[in-house]
Amino acid sequence: AQSVTQLGSHVSVSEGALVLLRCNYSSSVPPYLFWYVQYPNQGLQLLLKYTSAATLVKGINGFEAEFKKSETSFHLTKPSAHMSDAAEYFCAVTSNRDDKIIFGKGTRLHILP
Amino acid sequence: KAGVTQTPRYLIKTRGQQVTLSCSPISGHRSVSWYQQTPGQGLQFLFEYFSETQRNKGNFPGRFSGRQFSNSRSEMNVSTLELGDSALYLCASSSVERGGTDTQYFGPGTRLTVL
Repeated sequence: AQSVTQLGSHVSVSEGALVLLRCNYSSSVPPYLFWYVQYPNQGLQLLLKYTSAATLVKGINGFEAEFKKSETSFHLTKPSAHMSDAAEYFCAVTSNRDDKIIFGKGTRLHILP
Repeated sequence: KAGVTQTPRYLIKTRGQQVTLSCSPISGHRSVSWYQQTPGQGLQFLFEYFSETQRNKGNFPGRFSGRQFSNSRSEMNVSTLELGDSALYLCASSSVERGGTDTQYFGPGTRLTVL
């Protein structure tokens, strides 16, 4: 069975500082990994996805994530936080054998002025 | 292209009633998935439809059901509503059957409140 763990339900960073949101996954088969962002009262928007190509994936809004098989991690980073990045972020995993997408519990990112 | 649309956006029902939620996928998308989002349980997969057939199902009771029409529009029904069914229900569409290998695009959701 697959699972996703997001460390930290709330993360606060200062505007301009590095954003690091952690995601660890468990999968018995090669995974496909996603990061989604959800703004208040909205649906989820895809930030980026890993599908076994390059291990460093660049997404929208300056975010990127690195797939590390040895650490079973797919952490999301952004060099410089902006106030508009305040939202909830979800890591998700699926595989080419199972159509279900398993989401993490989410991390709410707060940006401090 | 227009995005995924969900109607209604907000709904208030009382216990014991039933409710039907609607989702129109992005034009050309044939796969529609439904999720329930609550503060306590997070995002949970309900079911996926492709070409009018349910392809996958999450761990929800039989009170939760769905269907997909020939134009790929999908409906989700919840019967005998319980207080715990209060949640944001999200619909997502993708262009291929295997949701894991293609991007899912989410609608804004329907917020259901059960009193």
